[in-house]
Parts: sequence; C-alpha cells; structure tokens
Amino acid sequence: EAQVTQNPRYLITVTGKKLTVTCSQNMNHEYMSWYRQDPGLGLRQIYYSMNVEVTDKGDVPEGYKVSRKEKRNFPLILESPSPNQTSLYFCASSQGPGRNTGELFFGEGSRLTVL
Amino acid sequence: RKEVEQDPGPFNVPEGATVAFNCTYSNSASQSFFWYRQDCRKEPKLLMSVYSSGNEDGRFTAQLNRASQYISLLIRDSKLSDSATYLCVVNPSGTYKYIFGTGTRLKVLA
Repeated sequence: EAQVTQNPRYLITVTGKKLTVTCSQNMNHEYMSWYRQDPGLGLRQIYYSMNVEVTDKGDVPEGYKVSRKEKRNFPLILESPSPNQTSLYFCASSQGPGRNTGELFFGEGSRLTVL
Repeated sequence: RKEVEQDPGPFNVPEGATVAFNCTYSNSASQSFFWYRQDCRKEPKLLMSVYSSGNEDGRFTAQLNRASQYISLLIRDSKLSDSATYLCVVNPSGTYKYIFGTGTRLKVLA
C-alpha cells in the first residue's frame, strides 16, 4: 500500500530537548516536504527536498533542520524546541510539482506539544 | 496580501444544495492548482487538480480564471459526507513550493 509514515504521531516534550520526527514514503517519490498547521494560518511549508541530498527552506524554516540521505526518508529535527513550535506537523511526498505529477501524499500528522 | 486567500466560512448548507468556493492567488506566474479536502484533525487528501479548461469529477467541478487569478470549486447535490475543510493549493511556476490557503469549512446539514 502506497503511504507516507510519520512517527511519533503524538509527542509532549519540554523546551530545549532535541527531538526528531521521522517520515518515510514507499512510493519512490523524489519530492518530500514538511508542513506545520496552526489554527487560522493553514499549512505552512517548513522545508522541502527535491531529491537525495537536495533540500531547501520553505516559508517557516527557523528552528528546524532536515536531512535527505535516502530517497525514502526525510526526518524533521528540532534541535532546541520552544513552545511556539507546538503544532500539527505533516510530511508529504510527490513525484514533483506540476499538474500531472504534483499530487501530494500526506502522512497522518504528528501533534507536537512543547511545554 | 496573502499569496493564496480563501473565505474561511463556515458555509452551512442543506443536503442537496449546490455550493461554490473561490480561492484567489497573487502570483500570476502560478502554474499548477489543486483542491484538497481535509477532515477534522486528519491529513489533507487530493480532491482534484484544476485544469485551464475546467474539469469535472462527478458532483465536483473546478474552474481556473487566470485573468482574475482565482480558482473555484463547485459541489452539486451536497452530501453529509462532504462536510470538511477544502484547501486551495497553488504551485508557482519554476518553484518547488506548494502554497496552501487557510481553507474553507463546509458543513452540510440534514
């Protein structure tokens, strides 16, 4: 079954404690990205990756890091989480932007609370 | 001005009604357009891509108006199961970014 898998789905942590949210896709997609969703602000892109070892900042990259060492995995790293990073996070993948290949497949989301 | 704007709603409509949503975008070079559906606390899922000539999928019709820089979604014969938030998504030409609107919430009432 084609899917994007995120872990953990739910996490409560404290300020400053490094954490990683993993994302894996089994569709051989070149494009992967991370979003955060906050009430009234919609989904905002944090980082994206066009292929292995190729990443770029989205609209809200501050406080986050990513890596793309393998095609299937795209972890999101919060080196020193702060309360303003409390949010619902989605990982997504696609063949690449464009009308015919641009469908984004989303993971189920990771709800992160930073105290 | 936001890059992609949608009326947040909620749109409360009776079963069987026809409802339409608009979404405006600011980047005239935008190339690809999509409508996604998101149920409460769930991941967004593609409803349909939007083609220049307009396209239809069952009860759903999407239109693109490049001159006025908006896309629309028409839902005919609304069902209770259509209740969700509808997200407009734009991919500006030459970029790898997907820009999401904040969504329009639809409630179909029995």
